[in-house]
Amino acid sequence: GNSVTQMEGPVTLSEEAFLTINCTYTATGYPSLFWYVQYPGEGLQLLLKATKADDKGSNKGFEATYRKETTSFHLEKGSVQVSDSAVYFCALSDYNNNDMRFGAGTRLTVKP
Amino acid sequence: DSGVTQTPKHLITATGQRVTLRCSPRSGDLSVYWYQQSLDQGLQFLIQYYNGEERAKGNILERFSAQQFPDLHSELNLSSLELGDSALYFCASSQSQTGHYGYTFGSGTRLTVV
Repeated sequence: GNSVTQMEGPVTLSEEAFLTINCTYTATGYPSLFWYVQYPGEGLQLLLKATKADDKGSNKGFEATYRKETTSFHLEKGSVQVSDSAVYFCALSDYNNNDMRFGAGTRLTVKP
Repeated sequence: DSGVTQTPKHLITATGQRVTLRCSPRSGDLSVYWYQQSLDQGLQFLIQYYNGEERAKGNILERFSAQQFPDLHSELNLSSLELGDSALYFCASSQSQTGHYGYTFGSGTRLTVV
């Protein structure tokens, strides 16, 4: 069945550092891929998405490219801020399954 | 505000009790999904309703049940509560039957069983 694997955290970076959070997936069909962010005490918010191979999703300086050949959707940001401290979830969904599959989440802490 | 409303935000109850969590989806969304988030198990899919009908079931215990009403709001009923049921319960909604274009999440209900 469909599944998502993302790098384990926690990840601690200094402000303005480069961020990469790895995500790989297994799917039988042609899934859509997502990154969600969860700030402390809040629900999950959609950060970005890509619905087909080679699409790049981007939002708030974050980017991720849908790579079918490597079944990956790594999240990147060139310069993180303290306000980016949160838990990041990679997820996938396709037309064959009603529920979205989430990775385990990666906690990011950015220090000033 | 995401447009998905969950009540109550916090709930503390004793073992053996029954509680009801409520979710109002974003305007125009027909699907409602329930997820449980615990520290050791991440986000676990429980159940989905689309336009009043159950569409998919995940790791939902027999002690748990849900329904979606004609006005599209949904309720998750948890009974014979155990300490291990303490978790964050999220509701999400989408327009379609699948999450192919993404979900919108509510802010969750934090359940503490003592």
